[in-house]
Amino acid sequence: GAVVSQHPSWVICKSGTSVKIECRSLDFQATTMFWYRQFPKQSLMLMATSNEGSKATYEQGVEKDKFLINHASLTLSTLTVTSAHPEDSSFYICSARDQVSGANVLTFGAGSRLTVL
Amino acid sequence: QQPVQSPQAVILREGEDAVINCSSSKALYSVHWYRQKHGEAPVFLMILLKGGEQKGHDKISASFNEKKQQSSLYLTASQLSYSGTYFCGILSPGTYKYIFGTGTRLKVLA
Repeated sequence: GAVVSQHPSWVICKSGTSVKIECRSLDFQATTMFWYRQFPKQSLMLMATSNEGSKATYEQGVEKDKFLINHASLTLSTLTVTSAHPEDSSFYICSARDQVSGANVLTFGAGSRLTVL
Repeated sequence: QQPVQSPQAVILREGEDAVINCSSSKALYSVHWYRQKHGEAPVFLMILLKGGEQKGHDKISASFNEKKQQSSLYLTASQLSYSGTYFCGILSPGTYKYIFGTGTRLKVLA
């Protein structure tokens, strides 16, 4: 089945630094990937849609200059949290849809837990 | 826009049944159900594509009422492993964005 690899699984950083999270589709091509953020005991909130070869589409209220998304190839999307602050601490999850198979099912990465000190 | 799930939380004993509902204010074209364990990514349970469709696997099944713009997840004879947070997800046509419901925390006690 479709597999999405996400790294790192957890990261602790100091306030003001930038953190990059990678999301790879291992056995399928994904022209579109989605980035979600989840705070404790809350639902997954869509942050942005990552489009291969073009700019990401951000949801309302998500700062595009703070959360940089790059989708350089059909199998890799990266999310960079710039100048991270404690309020950015959260669980970040990427997902992708195997469009070739035609199945409208999202495959999720394992998630990345970010803690900003 | 976010689908609303009910109940928000439920506690049951092993062997008991539970129903989780998902309601959308917009037309539904498909409904997906996921279960998330604490600290882990969501795991896909099933997808319903047509109004009136019902589907099941093991003792977990779901129905999709297109007219009422809602879906229900049925957990029969619950097991300890069913504990987690359940999310419905809807696919926005055209954009193919997935929007997740508010979530239902389910705890099964021995």
